[in-house]
Amino acid sequence: DVKVTQSSRYLVKRTGEKVFLECVQDMDHENMFWYRQDPGLGLRLIYFSYDVKMKEKGDIPEGYSVSREKKERFSLILESASTNQTSMYLCASATGLRTDTQYFGPGTRLTVL
Amino acid sequence: AQKVTQAQTEISVVEKEDVTLDCVYETRDTTYYLFWYKQPPSGVLVFLIRRNSFDEQNEISGRYSWNFQKSTSSFNFTITASQVVDSAVYFCALRGSFGGYNKLIFGAGTRLAVHP
Repeated sequence: DVKVTQSSRYLVKRTGEKVFLECVQDMDHENMFWYRQDPGLGLRLIYFSYDVKMKEKGDIPEGYSVSREKKERFSLILESASTNQTSMYLCASATGLRTDTQYFGPGTRLTVL
Repeated sequence: AQKVTQAQTEISVVEKEDVTLDCVYETRDTTYYLFWYKQPPSGVLVFLIRRNSFDEQNEISGRYSWNFQKSTSSFNFTITASQVVDSAVYFCALRGSFGGYNKLIFGAGTRLAVHP
């Protein structure tokens, strides 16, 4: 079974702090994704990576950056957290095949005070 | 433009009722894939089904069935004889040809509450 893990289930940070969200997958998947989930908006793609050190902006990249130094790990960085970044963050991974399914981690609920 | 619309925000049913969750999509691609995911209270999205645009056959898996109709751009999901464990948020998603990468566009989700 594919396993996608995220470093924290719950996180509370203060405005202006730098925040790191970590995601690890164990299936040697090429593609990894970061989404945020907000009520009434579904899941919106922040960034994705199709290979090590490669990244592409998603639909809402502003205020975020990412890092992928190793194939299994994809980090989401909030350089200076703001209250409007309070949300549920979901990581997913998939092979590079167009037909493939994305597999999701359990999510990190981030609260920025 | 690629878009997925789930018009039903919340549905409440009593156990054993049948329930249909609607999904309407927009795409100009001729090849695309449609997905349904379930998000139970635990929060983990669970993959339910994937359908490609060339296969319009309906699919049944136990109490779950899916009706794909290209003519109406819909991919509806029916749960027969609903159970309390079906309570969750359900997302419909579309994968088109976004530069060849495996990207999904999600609908806003439908929250299903099944009461005993």
